[in-house]
This record gives sequence, structure tokens and C-alpha cells, in this order.
Amino acid sequence: QTVVTQEPSLTVSPGGTVTLTCASSTGAVTSGYYPNWFQQKPGQTPRALIYSTSNKHSWTPARFSGSLLGGKAALTLSGVQPEDEAEYYCLLYYGGAQNWLFGGGTKLTVL
Amino acid sequence: QVQLVESGGGVVQPGRSLRLSCAASGFTFSNYGMHWVRQAPGKGLEWVAIIWYDGSNKYYADSVKGRFTISRDNSKNTLYLQMNSLRAEDTAAYYCARGTAERATALDVWGQGTTVTVSS
Repeated sequence: QTVVTQEPSLTVSPGGTVTLTCASSTGAVTSGYYPNWFQQKPGQTPRALIYSTSNKHSWTPARFSGSLLGGKAALTLSGVQPEDEAEYYCLLYYGGAQNWLFGGGTKLTVL
Repeated sequence: QVQLVESGGGVVQPGRSLRLSCAASGFTFSNYGMHWVRQAPGKGLEWVAIIWYDGSNKYYADSVKGRFTISRDNSKNTLYLQMNSLRAEDTAAYYCARGTAERATALDVWGQGTTVTVSS
């Protein structure tokens, strides 16, 4: 059974930089997994941030960026704001099985 | 504006059925693949199913394969999820999401969700 793994929790200071990662139990994450990143605040619907590894939606703040890092998908927040405190989920596409899998989420605390 | 509105959730007994709907507006529905995603109370997101823009292909998570059916009516701009043989573990908020970019792999717009509770 394939598993997508994220850090359970991370803490960052306001104005700082933090990188969240997303790993696949099948091996290195590549662009062919079309990584997506979503932000979800308590009681709210998930909001899309990044698609296809590094592409931003029109509403995605500039401080969010996506990349591949060390065989994982990565989401970097630069100049973190208090309102960035949220749960972040990655989503990977497994084309062979025509399946999508979410990671377990990273709870980001801004402190 | 682009909008997705889910409906059809409720309380249902184990083993029974329920059909969810997702009404789309503000974009050409028939040009996009559509996904269902769910979230159990206090848990993370789980991808459930996708249907291609023309309904020609449908794929499911293993957890719902054989029990759930995704479908769409492009003339009504509506996406559906038929859920049969419901189990307690199907209790969740169900979201529809638009799939864009290559192979509908970018879930860009999400509905507000509809809640399904499976309980006797």
C-alpha cells in the first residue's frame, strides 16, 4: 500500500522561512507525480496553493513556492505571516494506477 | 464567479445508500475533469474519485471501489457521487473539486462540502 508522508508538525517564527516536504513510499517524487499543495485552516475548505510541482494559482501569495528537493516535493514559505498558521496537505498523482493520494498533513504553527 | 456547491449529505444507516450532488457554475463544466475528496472528522484529506471531462473514464480510491460511483450530467452542470453499502468509516465531509491542468491533476476550485454521517 502506497503511503505519502509529510512532517506531522513544524514551527516557524514570523518573518522566517520554512520548508514542508512530501515523500512517496514508492520512491523519489518527480514532476510526473504532479505535486499539489493545499492549505486548510480550522473549519474552512482546503485552498489550493501549488500545482504541478511549482505552479502557483492566481490567488497564491508570492511567499509560497513549490519545488522538488532531495527526492521529495517541497513547499517553502518565505517571510511567514501569522495568517499562514494552518494545516498543509500535499497530493500526488500515481498515473500507473490512475490514483491520487494525499499526505497526512503538516500542522504549521507560527510562533 | 467559479463556484461549486455540494448537496445531498445527511445521516444514513450502515448498509444504506446516498447520492451526493455538486452543482457547478461560472465556468464551462464540460471542459473539466472533476474530483470527489473527503475528510473524516478531525482527520486528513482523502481522495475518493475522478471523472474525466466527458465522463469517459472514472477512477476510484481502493477504499470505495465497488461501492461508490462517480457520474456527471454536463447538460445540467452537475457532478454526482452515488454511495452504496455505506460504512461507519465513510462518515466525512465530502468535497467536489475541479481538476485542471494536465490530466486534471490540479484541484483548483473546491466546494464548501456536504457532510455524510453513517450511523445506526
